[in-house]
Amino acid sequence: DTGVSQDPRHKITKRGQNVTFRCDPISEHNRLYWYRQTLGQGPEFLTYFQNEAQLEKSRLLSDRFSAERPKGSFSTLEIQRTEQGDSAMYLCASRPLGQGYESGYNSPLHFGNGTRLTVT
Amino acid sequence: AQSVAQPEDQVNVAEGNPLTVKCTYSVSGNPYLFWYVQYPNRGLQFLLKYITGDNLVKGSYGFEAEFNKSQTSFHLKKPSALVSDSALYFCAVRDPGDSWGKLQFGAGTQVVVTP
Repeated sequence: DTGVSQDPRHKITKRGQNVTFRCDPISEHNRLYWYRQTLGQGPEFLTYFQNEAQLEKSRLLSDRFSAERPKGSFSTLEIQRTEQGDSAMYLCASRPLGQGYESGYNSPLHFGNGTRLTVT
Repeated sequence: AQSVAQPEDQVNVAEGNPLTVKCTYSVSGNPYLFWYVQYPNRGLQFLLKYITGDNLVKGSYGFEAEFNKSQTSFHLKKPSALVSDSALYFCAVRDPGDSWGKLQFGAGTQVVVTP
């Protein structure tokens, strides 16, 4: 278990630029989530993938945001035309596919260390 | 819709003293409750969860939490705090009706343990 990996750790960009973040989940984890965390707040759900299928998107995910998981392994989150309000920590998390009360959707989320985005 | 509240922005405790971090929740049906900890510039780490069964749940690093249905609370506790417990703690709830297992997090409580 090498953990969830996110790249880059930090990104500084100018308003209006496009940015892309990558998440590599734990290899056997089929379920992948993106969250956004702003200063002084808990993580907020952005989107969920099961294998390569994007099954839910939050209303927080405006049309400037797009996420993909093309082969059901790594995922990318792209923000187009960044705004200062996009400055936040973007967290990726994964969990295994499983059934039953204690497993599956109730198993712990494994988080990466996040990508901190600063839009100037 | 589910929600979770952490009423304290910060908890200060001396090393060796008991630590309590409060959490209350609102959800229709039986809740699934979680505690996570976050160290600076890191992702969240799982501490413990309540799904069903015994109301007292034991987790990692000596932490435990008590589920209280009548008070809709899930307070995190540690009998004897360590300086290394200083971190940001998040309570989270999963609505049992949610299809995809996403969690609703509280705003977090900063724990400061002084030597």
